[in-house]
Amino acid sequence: ETGVTQTPRHLVMGMTNKKSLKCEQHLGHNAMYWYKQSAKKPLELMFVYNFKEQTENNSVPSRFSPECPNSSHLFLHLHTLQPEDSALYLCASGDQGASYEQYFGPGTRLTVT
Amino acid sequence: QQQVKQSPQSLIVQKGGISIINCAYENTAFDYFPWYQQFPGKGPALLIAIRPDVSEKKEGRFTISFNKSAKQFSLHIMDSQPGDSATYFCAASNPNTGNQFYFGTGTSLTVIP
Repeated sequence: ETGVTQTPRHLVMGMTNKKSLKCEQHLGHNAMYWYKQSAKKPLELMFVYNFKEQTENNSVPSRFSPECPNSSHLFLHLHTLQPEDSALYLCASGDQGASYEQYFGPGTRLTVT
Repeated sequence: QQQVKQSPQSLIVQKGGISIINCAYENTAFDYFPWYQQFPGKGPALLIAIRPDVSEKKEGRFTISFNKSAKQFSLHIMDSQPGDSATYFCAASNPNTGNQFYFGTGTSLTVIP
């Protein structure tokens, strides 16, 4: 195990629902990331948090709302999603400044109906 | 604009053969080049990485070859095994954007017995 856990592993939601994805890292890292993985596309970086402060928001639609209450937990709040938002959402953690390495969780497979 | 281009999209190799996956980039600011391995239902896992001050790095059956002048790097898997069947992603990190990772589109490797 990489030390990064994500829940739920699978999620089906309607376009009017509100749901949240959770990520937890047990590696003592200071940075956490949300990525979107779609078939035949590069992993897309969505958000970066460094020491709980958001340092990157790659033009992500406002229907995705991240929250980082502490350096071990990261949430992605979802509301009024579109079918094209269906994808695998990956969380990663890393130690910015000490190493370039990023460690990924298993992902949440999201289906928007 | 895709920052890192990866090929081939899919690869089939006989057991015991050599698997070769190639990546190319344009941004000379990139200074860290990892390869990730992803099995179905799992998140990407760091396999091996290289910095541009060396031309080759080997870890067991996995080797990265790096050509700085050509802005290309490749992953070689020697003595490929069925257990190596997975999707492989190359990436590049830009220190000017907080070490943000730019990923290739992935290569699906199948090693047949």
